[in-house]
Amino acid sequence: KAGVTQTPRYLIKTRGQQVTLSCSPISGHRSVSWYQQTPGQGLQFLFEYFSETQRNKGNFPGRFSGRQFSNSRSEMNVSTLELGDSALYLCASRGGLSTDTQYFGPGTRLTVL
Amino acid sequence: AQTVTQSQPEMSVQEAETVTLSCTYDTSENNYYLFWYKQPPSRQMILVIRQEAYKQQNATENRFSVNFQKAAKSFSLKISDSQLGDTAMYFCAFMKLVHSGNTPLVFGKGTRLSVIA
Repeated sequence: KAGVTQTPRYLIKTRGQQVTLSCSPISGHRSVSWYQQTPGQGLQFLFEYFSETQRNKGNFPGRFSGRQFSNSRSEMNVSTLELGDSALYLCASRGGLSTDTQYFGPGTRLTVL
Repeated sequence: AQTVTQSQPEMSVQEAETVTLSCTYDTSENNYYLFWYKQPPSRQMILVIRQEAYKQQNATENRFSVNFQKAAKSFSLKISDSQLGDTAMYFCAFMKLVHSGNTPLVFGKGTRLSVIA
């Protein structure tokens, strides 16, 4: 069974731009979560989607948004990029027989210049 | 709010030796899961082992085992017969269980483990 995939793997943007990241969960998984990883703040939860509905949300500004499609693929969008948004963005899915364990994708490295 | 503390930012171990990574957590919850994830330089976060809080028996997965002390809120990871491929950042994570569905993972800051040949 294929793992969680994320595209693109690397992105370079400039301040003020917006960006969209994509995540395809493991087949059969209906929950997708997004995390931001930075050297200073560590791993922080952004949001979780389940069956196209946002189920949980972390403490991030409204510039960070997401959505989930009927095939469980998810996208997250960051508008008006700031230098501090430079980070590794990790997507994780769960579902099937083990809804309590999250499986992570390889991440998207976003650099904001 | 739950917090997870990993007090060892960096550790090193000789190949084939045993090493223990520490993790403590703070919660008032009774039903939860604990996890250890590893993140090699390739950045892919990989599940190492998980422990259900209601289970008294410590989880084991091949060379990896945990020492779960619920009263002390301690969850350490022991790696036996360390291999070069074990070199990675190790994250301890906590997840609360609720009736409406599981909650997000709360991570510690990580321990960077280097296995030396």
